[in-house]
Amino acid sequence: KQEVTQIPAALSVPEGENLVLNCSFTDSAIYNLQWFRQDPGKGLTSLLLIQSSQREQTSGRLNASLDKSSGRSTLYIAASQPGDSATYLCAVNAGKSTFGDGTTLTVKP
Amino acid sequence: GAVVSQHPSRVICKSGTSVKIECRSLDFQATTMFWYRQFPKKSLMLMATSNEGSKATYEQGVEKDKFLINHASLTLSTLTVTSAHPEDSSFYICSAGGQGVIDTQYFGPGTRLTVL
Repeated sequence: KQEVTQIPAALSVPEGENLVLNCSFTDSAIYNLQWFRQDPGKGLTSLLLIQSSQREQTSGRLNASLDKSSGRSTLYIAASQPGDSATYLCAVNAGKSTFGDGTTLTVKP
Repeated sequence: GAVVSQHPSRVICKSGTSVKIECRSLDFQATTMFWYRQFPKKSLMLMATSNEGSKATYEQGVEKDKFLINHASLTLSTLTVTSAHPEDSSFYICSAGGQGVIDTQYFGPGTRLTVL
């Protein structure tokens, strides 16, 4: 059974800092991995999708990496802003998506 | 990009009533759709896999008679919460992929169900 773990569970940083969110999974036989953002009481916003054959994807200030053999992915956020405050979820697709519990990020002005 | 819609976005009902939630893929056909449930301050838990033209596959612990899933066409799957009770109050999200399970999953905006 696929298990997805996200560390840390919560993170508070001052505005402007670069930060890294971690996602680990137990079964490396995956099709792809997605990072999502979820604001309180809202649905999911897809941030980045990495196919199993890829190593990283970039979108603006966000960079996601994937090391399938070690079962790890990281989401790097550069020059964080208060508007980045949200819960970040990773989802591993191995035929069906398994989500981590998320990292709740607070960026203080 | 591909769009998945859900209707309604929010529903409040009395205990004992049944509620139907629709999930539609607007610009692509989806042979497989997935239904998730999210408890407050928790992550998404897969409830079932909905297959067009066949019975849904439910995850362990999910009552199939409680959560009825119908995938009537390649663009529509419905989740019916039967005889809803307050403990069924939750955020329900569906996802769909154009090429089945290996494809990118596009997620709907979610439906917030509150049972009084």
